[in-house]
Order: sequence, then structure tokens, then C-alpha cells
Amino acid sequence: GDSVTQMEGPVTLSEEAFLTINCTYTATGYPSLFWYVQYPGEGLQLLLKATKADDKGSNKGFEATYRKETTSFHLEKGSVQVSDSAVYFCALSDWGDMRFGAGTRLTVKP
Amino acid sequence: DSGVTQTPKHLITATGQRVTLRCSPRSGDLSVYWYQQSLDQGLQFLIQYYNGEERAKGNILERFSAQQFPDLHSELNLSSLELGDSALYFCASSAPKNTGELFFGEGSRLTVL
Repeated sequence: GDSVTQMEGPVTLSEEAFLTINCTYTATGYPSLFWYVQYPGEGLQLLLKATKADDKGSNKGFEATYRKETTSFHLEKGSVQVSDSAVYFCALSDWGDMRFGAGTRLTVKP
Repeated sequence: DSGVTQTPKHLITATGQRVTLRCSPRSGDLSVYWYQQSLDQGLQFLIQYYNGEERAKGNILERFSAQQFPDLHSELNLSSLELGDSALYFCASSAPKNTGELFFGEGSRLTVL
């Protein structure tokens, strides 16, 4: 079945460092891809999404490009802030069935 | 605020007991999803309902059951609780024209002692 694999954490960075969190997927169809973020004590919220190959999703300085040839959707940010500390989940949705990766905890230190 | 309401926020109970978690989806959303988040297993999909009918089933134990009522709220029933059931249980809803985006509640934290 469809699945998502993302890099294991935790990831610790200094403020203004470059962030990459890797995500690859397995799907039989043409899924939509998502990144969700979970801040401490809160539920998940959508960070960005891409619905077809070569689409780039972006929000709050974060970006991810839907790469069909490498089945990847890596999350990047050029300069992280302390407020970006959270758990990040890669996810895919095919026919409404949403599957999440294991989550990657990011801690940004001042 | 996502618009999804979950109650209770925290629940402490003993092994062998039964609890019910409640979820009210966003106004107008027909789909409700339940997920379990534990420290070592990430976010596990349990079950999905669409307009009162079960739509998809994930890794839901036989001791667990759920339903969605005519007013679209949903309940997740957990019985014969074990220590390993301690987790954060999330409800999410999605719009009728499902763009794939889920809106999550803040979760119900269950502790089984």
C-alpha cells in the first residue's frame, strides 16, 4: 500500500541554519503530497502541499517540490528560527486516504 | 483554531476500563478521521467516517470502535484498556470536496495506569 518514509530525527540546528528534512513516498497512483507541522501542545496543521509532479509548495519560508522521478518531497528552509521548533510530518493522500510519515522533531537553538 | 473540537483534553484511567473520546468536526465537513499518536509509533491512522458511514479502516484494534452520528460528530470507544493504549488521540475532518487537507483537533491525551 501507499506509504511515506521521512528522515528520522531529532534534528537540532542553530538559528539561521539551512534545514532539509527528507521525505520519500511509495504510491500506486498519483497522490497529493503534504507537509504538516505540530507545535508543542497542539494538533497538526497544514504547512504546504503539492498536488502533481513538479509542483512546488511553499509557506512561511518553507518549500518542497514534488519529484515524481525520485518519489520525493523534501522540506527545505533557508534560515530557520527558534519559532520553527516543532515536529514535521510528511504525508500523502490518494483518493482521500491520508498516510503520514513518522515525524521529524526539529529543535532550533538561539 | 482549526474548528475541530475534541473532548476530553486529558483522561486518566485504569487498565481494563472503557473510555469514550468525542470529536466535533468543522462546520460543513463530512469526513472524520481518527489517529493515534504514541511516542514510539508516530501517527497511526485508525479509522475514517464519511457522512455517517465507515469509509476506511487502518490499524484499529478490535477493542476499539468508532461511529459518526447524524449530526456528524464522532466518538471513539476504547475498551479493555491496556498500558500500551496510553497515547494522544487526534480527530481530524476534511471538506466535502476533499483537497486532501485535514484539519486536526488538539487531541485527547489518554493515560492508562
